[in-house]
Amino acid sequence: GAVVSQHPSRVICKSGTSVKIECRSLDFQATTMFWYRQFPKQSLMLMATSNEGSKATYEQGVEKDKFLINHASLTLSTLTVTSAHPEDSSFYICSARVEQETLAGGPYEQYFGPGTRLTVT
Amino acid sequence: GEDVEQSLFLSVREGDSSVINCTYTDSSSTYLYWYKQEPGAGLQLLTYIFSNMDMKQDQRLTVLLNKKDKHLSLRIADTQTGDSAIYFCAESINSGYALNFGKGTSLLVTP
Repeated sequence: GAVVSQHPSRVICKSGTSVKIECRSLDFQATTMFWYRQFPKQSLMLMATSNEGSKATYEQGVEKDKFLINHASLTLSTLTVTSAHPEDSSFYICSARVEQETLAGGPYEQYFGPGTRLTVT
Repeated sequence: GEDVEQSLFLSVREGDSSVINCTYTDSSSTYLYWYKQEPGAGLQLLTYIFSNMDMKQDQRLTVLLNKKDKHLSLRIADTQTGDSAIYFCAESINSGYALNFGKGTSLLVTP
């Protein structure tokens, strides 16, 4: 199946600094990528939809100036957590949507990255 | 968003069947999914079911959908230790849309 990578897998940063997380589709192109956030023992919460060549669409309650998303190519989307605070510590997961229906009669499939564990001290 | 609820933990013996249950509230859900999450790996799509279906079977996996009660279940036959993972139920209102996930059910398979 298709592969989505995330880098870094883990990052620790000091409060007030910025951190960039990369999401890459390795063997397919993705016009649309999604960024999710997962707290321990909680579900994945959609943060934003990243669209190649245009502005990201943010979910209600997600600060677009704090979580900067750039989808500059068909294989790369980045999430930058600016001026990070301890409450931003979480597991960030991206998914990339395949641009054609690969599941016969079914939905456009999304492939998920392995996630990035962010710890802000 | 709308709620997707799952029990948090299930323990079964190797060789037994596992049944993981999920309820959702959004009546406009078109597709319902089951994903598997193993440590260090991305979520893996196990199976999905379209909302106008009642059942779908794929090898050891059987998905049952009761649309009236908004209840979805995943049955894993002959559960193996390699099936130990977290299983997420998810729904989307349309193809290609972002997914709305439950909290995940941690399945532990004991020898």
